[in-house]
Amino acid sequence: GQQVMQIPQYQHVQEGEDFTTYCNSSTTLSNIQWYKQRPGGHPVFLIQLVKSGEVKKQKRLTFQFGEAKKNSSLHITATQTTDVGTYFCADVYGGATNKLIFGTGTLLAVQP
Amino acid sequence: NAGVTQTPKFQVLKTGQSMTLQCAQDMNHEYMSWYRQDPGMGLRLIHYSVGAGITDQGEVPNGYNVSRSTTEDFPLRLLSAAPSQTSVYFCASRRQSFSNQPQHFGDGTRLSIL
Repeated sequence: GQQVMQIPQYQHVQEGEDFTTYCNSSTTLSNIQWYKQRPGGHPVFLIQLVKSGEVKKQKRLTFQFGEAKKNSSLHITATQTTDVGTYFCADVYGGATNKLIFGTGTLLAVQP
Repeated sequence: NAGVTQTPKFQVLKTGQSMTLQCAQDMNHEYMSWYRQDPGMGLRLIHYSVGAGITDQGEVPNGYNVSRSTTEDFPLRLLSAAPSQTSVYFCASRRQSFSNQPQHFGDGTRLSIL
């Protein structure tokens, strides 16, 4: 079945450093959604990418969809302690029912 | 503004017991789903529903039943709890099934099976 892998599984950075997580699939992704989950919390929607090569920005966060729609990335510039959490990509998969299949997630730790 | 409400927040069961995890949403969303979250494995889809009276299996449906008698409620039943079902369970909903709308998640139920 559809599998979406994320790397790295875990990243520890100093506050102010940049951070990138990558979302990869062996098959073509439909649309990509990104979610953030704070420790002990629930996933919260960040953004959706639809078009090949699409780039979207939210303040210090930059989201990119690969040209072949087989990968996506999230880049955070100058991390802050508020960025701590697990970042998930999710493929909107499943034809008419649009099931959301999540990647394995990247846990970001930020040291002040 | 309740959104998606899950009860209970925590539960401990013995192997073989059954129980129902409750999920309710007040946003009139058609689409509802259940996920389980285990360390290093992300969120895996258990069951989903595109509307009242319609349910279908996700990635890991074995050992779980669902029903959708109303738009608002989507309970998840564990038939005979096993230690492998120890996990955090999230219910989610979104506006339409045939859409790319974002999913709204509940706060989760932390379930331990002894």
